[in-house]
Amino acid sequence: DQQVKQNSPSLSVQEGRISILNCDYTNSMFDYFLWYKKYPAEGPTFLISISSIKDKNEDGRFTVFLNKSAKHLSLHIVPSQPGDSAVYFCAAKEGSNYKLTFGKGTLLTVNP
Amino acid sequence: DAGVTQSPTHLIKTRGQQVTLRCSPKSGHDTVSWYQQALGQGPQFIFQYYEEEERQRGNFPDRFSGHQFPNYSSELNVNALLLGDSALYLCASSLVGTGVHEQYFGPGTRLTVT
Repeated sequence: DQQVKQNSPSLSVQEGRISILNCDYTNSMFDYFLWYKKYPAEGPTFLISISSIKDKNEDGRFTVFLNKSAKHLSLHIVPSQPGDSAVYFCAAKEGSNYKLTFGKGTLLTVNP
Repeated sequence: DAGVTQSPTHLIKTRGQQVTLRCSPKSGHDTVSWYQQALGQGPQFIFQYYEEEERQRGNFPDRFSGHQFPNYSSELNVNALLLGDSALYLCASSLVGTGVHEQYFGPGTRLTVT
């Protein structure tokens, strides 16, 4: 049973445009969400997070939106740059649980 | 300042064998988590170690075991290897009491079981 779903395996956008990566979850006990970026041969690196008490968090070019009623979150990257090309993972955490539950990832390709 | 390091980088084993993977946490970190990432999947939580004890475990069989040493480094042991154990094994370290977003991942060990 996959509790965190990233239904788009890949996304291709032009440099300078907006990239929107989506994530859905089924566990209503999740209260903290994170996005990680992963380059080949490297471990995932933390990008941005959001608590369930918020609906938006912004950090530079990256913004995460959370819609709790729809159990949906999205990551917006504006403007997209070729260096953003990577696999993006959505992850979720429940309360004081130490475990992160990850989605399968979305491969973002930003074309020059 | 070295980040999280893992060894070996790659490993090939035969079904039924046993394997040990190693992880050195980022300097100043005292907690180590292990994740398994199968091809085309996201990382799955195996367990977390703190103060040399397993503090939480994911949905993995007892064939998966771990250890944390006094210097905070950690080992992941897998017994009776199955073909399905082929995956990238990721180690993540953190400092107890800090947010989960302050967890740093290593580059992983690619295990192939033939």
